Amino acid sequence: DVKVTQSSRYLVKRTGEKVFLECVQDMDHENMFWYRQDPGLGLRLIYFSYDVKMKEKGDIPEGYSVSREKKERFSLILESASTNQTSMYLCASRSGISGNTIYFGEGSWLTVV
Amino acid sequence: AQSVAQPEDQVNVAEGNPLTVKCTYSVSGNPYLFWYVQYPNRGLQFLLKYITGDNLVKGSYGFEAEFNKSQTSFHLKKPSALVSDSALYFCAVRDNAAGNKLTFGGGTRVLVKP
Repeated sequence: DVKVTQSSRYLVKRTGEKVFLECVQDMDHENMFWYRQDPGLGLRLIYFSYDVKMKEKGDIPEGYSVSREKKERFSLILESASTNQTSMYLCASRSGISGNTIYFGEGSWLTVV
Repeated sequence: AQSVAQPEDQVNVAEGNPLTVKCTYSVSGNPYLFWYVQYPNRGLQFLLKYITGDNLVKGSYGFEAEFNKSQTSFHLKKPSALVSDSALYFCAVRDNAAGNKLTFGGGTRVLVKP
């Protein structure tokens, strides 16, 4: 069965803190994604990676960075958290075969105070 | 650029009645279309997709969707809704000529009343 695991479900961080959100997939997928979900805005792509050490900006990369040192792990980093980054963050992965389904993790609720 | 529109923020339906959730899209090339469902405090679960072939696609939990190229639509349907179908539904599109990016609609909340 497909599994994308986000290690932290609920986090509360202070403004200015550095925040790491970790995601691991066990399907040997080439592509991994980070989205944020906000009411009325749907899901917006922050960054994605199509291979180890490769990354591309999505629609809203400002204030975020990512790291993909191993194929199964894709980390989202908030260098200096701000209150407007309070959101639900969703990690996803997909194989490289065109048309394949994206599979999502359970989400990480981040509150920045 | 690709885009997705879900014109209804919320759909209310009585249990046992047909359910339709609307989705229209815009892409430059040929679309890959997806429907996902999200239950409270959970991630997104895949329901069904259209890649090519038959315009009527059947998916999980009795859902189906019809690809209509002329109307650029991909509406989600279920003949007889259940209370347990109450959730947030997302339509998504990927232009098969535009790489990896999957664009989501804003979501439609479905409320099925007993």
